[in-house]
Amino acid sequence: RKEVEQDPGPFNVPEGATVAFNCTYSNSASQSFFWYRQDCRKEPKLLMSVYSSGNEDGRFTAQLNRASQYISLLIRDSKLSDSATYLCVVRQGGTYKYIFGTGTRLKVLA
Amino acid sequence: GAVVSQHPSRVICKSGTSVKIECRSLDFQATTMFWYRQFPKQSLMLMATSNEGSKATYEQGVEKDKFLINHASLTLSTLTVTSAHPEDSSFYICSASGWLGQGGYGYTFGSGTRLTVV
Repeated sequence: RKEVEQDPGPFNVPEGATVAFNCTYSNSASQSFFWYRQDCRKEPKLLMSVYSSGNEDGRFTAQLNRASQYISLLIRDSKLSDSATYLCVVRQGGTYKYIFGTGTRLKVLA
Repeated sequence: GAVVSQHPSRVICKSGTSVKIECRSLDFQATTMFWYRQFPKQSLMLMATSNEGSKATYEQGVEKDKFLINHASLTLSTLTVTSAHPEDSSFYICSASGWLGQGGYGYTFGSGTRLTVV
């Protein structure tokens, strides 16, 4: 079983739609959680950290469920520019070792 | 702040040759650098972790004699792919972590190197 699992997609959604991505992780000692965005042939860029209480940044909302070892990302009012691969990332406790999910591809259609 | 420069961005080399990739932290001291590899439509896979002045720690399945990592200073780490073969063709990305001062602890990616071995 992979340490971080995501549905690879692709998710094809119309502009303005709300889309949700899920991610599960296997190591219960994982300490920090993030969503990164990666555009084709580019390096990943941090989208947002994920906190236990849930957090929101504009149209993006992240949730963490430690008991179920589950992370989610909700994107509201999708824009064409949101088209990218979204990577769920988990940092192992006590280290700066980051484990990446395979990513979920999103394509927002006009 | 927290800028990481990676060079070259793209390289094509002949099978059997060696290629060196550089990763520099421009405005902070990177106490730890990580090297990742990403094959098409796959996730980033950590290859090795290097701390300044000490030997790199390689992930299981990564040949340390093939992927030589040097982290001799707090601002520079290099990855050398020795005797490259076509199956080594991939996107290699470094990341650097270190204290940013008031900015806290940072973790930043380089822009990646696309290696094609022909």
